[in-house]
Amino acid sequence: AQSVAQPEDQVNVAEGNPLTVKCTYSVSGNPYLFWYVQYPNRGLQFLLKYITGDNLVKGSYGFEAEFNKSQTSFHLKKPSALVSDSALYFCAVNMNRDDKIIFGKGTRLHILP
Amino acid sequence: ETGVTQSPTHLIKTRGQQVTLRCSSQSGHNTVSWYQQALGQGPQFIFQYYREEENGRGNFPPRFSGLQFPNYSSELNVNALELDDSALYLCASSPGLAAYNEQFFGPGTRLTVL
Repeated sequence: AQSVAQPEDQVNVAEGNPLTVKCTYSVSGNPYLFWYVQYPNRGLQFLLKYITGDNLVKGSYGFEAEFNKSQTSFHLKKPSALVSDSALYFCAVNMNRDDKIIFGKGTRLHILP
Repeated sequence: ETGVTQSPTHLIKTRGQQVTLRCSSQSGHNTVSWYQQALGQGPQFIFQYYREEENGRGNFPPRFSGLQFPNYSSELNVNALELDDSALYLCASSPGLAAYNEQFFGPGTRLTVL
């Protein structure tokens, strides 16, 4: 069965420092990978996705993610964190099957001023 | 361009009751998916509708049912509510069935079952 793992419940980063939010996946075949962000009392917002091609994808708000097929990872990164980046981040995979998109359990990112 | 809207925002029901949640998709989007997000968890896929037909279902019992209307808006119905149905219910629309399409989420409906 396909699955997505976000090994860290919470990540704390000082403002201005680089941040990484980890995601690994387990699927058979070639997945489409996504990152979404959720602010308090809001729905999820799309950040970026990997379909094919360049392993480094760039998205909204200065975020980027690196697809690593050999390590089955899709870590979210940002060179310089902002306090406003504090939110809940979800990694997701879609294999276009009946169980559609599968989300990780989320990682709470806390940027310290 | 209007985003995805959901109603109501909050809802309180008792065990055994039935509930209907509503969703208006983003303009131009013909595909709607519903998710259940329990506290502290990621969203779990309930089902997806494409042009008024169900197109895929997650691991949810038949008491979770849905509809999609000609204008692509959608309803989620839950019968015989259980305490564990308490969650944030999210609706998301996309411009088609392609798995590489990102989804556009509404703000959710917070359902509390007492």
